[in-house]
Amino acid sequence: NAGVTQTPKFQVLKTGQSMTLQCAQDMNHEYMSWYRQDPGMGLRLIHYSVGAGITDQGEVPNGYNVSRSTTEDFPLRLLSAAPSQTSVYFCASSYGTGEDTEAFFGQGTRLTVV
Amino acid sequence: GNSVTQMEGPVTLSEEAFLTINCTYTATGYPSLFWYVQYPGEGLQLLLKATKADDKGSNKGFEATYRKETTSFHLEKGSVQVSDSAVYFCALEGTYKYIFGTGTRLKVLA
Repeated sequence: NAGVTQTPKFQVLKTGQSMTLQCAQDMNHEYMSWYRQDPGMGLRLIHYSVGAGITDQGEVPNGYNVSRSTTEDFPLRLLSAAPSQTSVYFCASSYGTGEDTEAFFGQGTRLTVV
Repeated sequence: GNSVTQMEGPVTLSEEAFLTINCTYTATGYPSLFWYVQYPGEGLQLLLKATKADDKGSNKGFEATYRKETTSFHLEKGSVQVSDSAVYFCALEGTYKYIFGTGTRLKVLA
């Protein structure tokens, strides 16, 4: 069972470059989300999706775009990378809400912007 | 809005010591509460959860009780092992969105 798969695992970008972080899940979960993890700040929600064709902003959306054309895939696009976007990025998928819910995480992408 | 506050680390303990990591939350309604664990170089894994007041979640010797009156979900383990060294995150779920605390790093010494 693959679960949530993120690629790449590591990436170095120059300031101003663009790139896409890939995320795919094979559990048929409706809900997917992107977080960034920074020292002392925990995980902060960037964007999330409640189903194919539906996305919304989280806590720190600036500089990032997302789309959800299929249930399985939820790519995160950095339009013009900045050093402040150096972070570890996690994709998660989850089912349900309320009393029956659980989130599953990918292994993360460590991004460095120089 | 919803938020989670957990004790700052790092927490350093000797093997077989008792562990408590404090977590409190602010939320509308009664969200489900979670503890996730992150081992070095890995993503987060669910450790335990509780979905309503007075529920106790437990797994691998860890326990946490959903306390509505104190809005808390403290993580405890009676006897920690070196293999428990990791970062622990408290979280809540509200309408599909998970909100995490800042994480507490635990280091267990042999």
